Amino acid sequence: EDQVTQSPEALRLQEGESSSLNCSYTVSGLRGLFWYRQDPGKGPEFLFTLYSAGEEKEKERLKATLTKKESFLHITAPKPEDSATYLCAVRPGGSYIPTFGRGTSLIVHP
Amino acid sequence: EADIYQTPRYLVIGTGKKITLECSQTMGHDKMYWYQQDPGMELHLIHYSYGVNSTEKGDLSSESTVSRIRTEHFPLTLESARPSHTSQYLCASSEDSWIYGYTFGSGTRLTVV
Repeated sequence: EDQVTQSPEALRLQEGESSSLNCSYTVSGLRGLFWYRQDPGKGPEFLFTLYSAGEEKEKERLKATLTKKESFLHITAPKPEDSATYLCAVRPGGSYIPTFGRGTSLIVHP
Repeated sequence: EADIYQTPRYLVIGTGKKITLECSQTMGHDKMYWYQQDPGMELHLIHYSYGVNSTEKGDLSSESTVSRIRTEHFPLTLESARPSHTSQYLCASSEDSWIYGYTFGSGTRLTVV
């Protein structure tokens, strides 16, 4: 059974304090690992797709990395506007249905 | 602008009522999905469709139905609303390549009283 575990559940940072969010997964034949950002009362917004171990993607203050067992979302010098819930999902081979984690709620204080 | 739209954004309804949540997308995606999301929990798949006249059940489908008569439209119907249906409902679509994963709508917040 495919599983996705995100940690921590919640994270509070001071503005400028860099940190990382973790997404551990087990999946049959990974066809993609996805990171989304979700603001309160809105649908998730796509951030990154990673396909193979060693791959990295960057967007502004965010950098996503992938190994065979986990992915990290690194946040460098975060700002209050980075506050959101970050969701991780994995798509198994032979399916268009991904498995989602429960998310990490990030709050960045000014 | 290509996007995915859900209406209504908020709905409060009495127990036993029949309701339809609307979802439309302008991207021409064949694949569309309905998810239920509760605070701090995973997204749970309710129904999905891989194209016109194609619908499949997800994990939470037993009390709802969907239809896919047009590519752009994928409504979700609850035949008899119950308080346990109170939740956030998210519609999503994806292109065949899956490069960008899902595109989600803004959701419908449903409260059944």
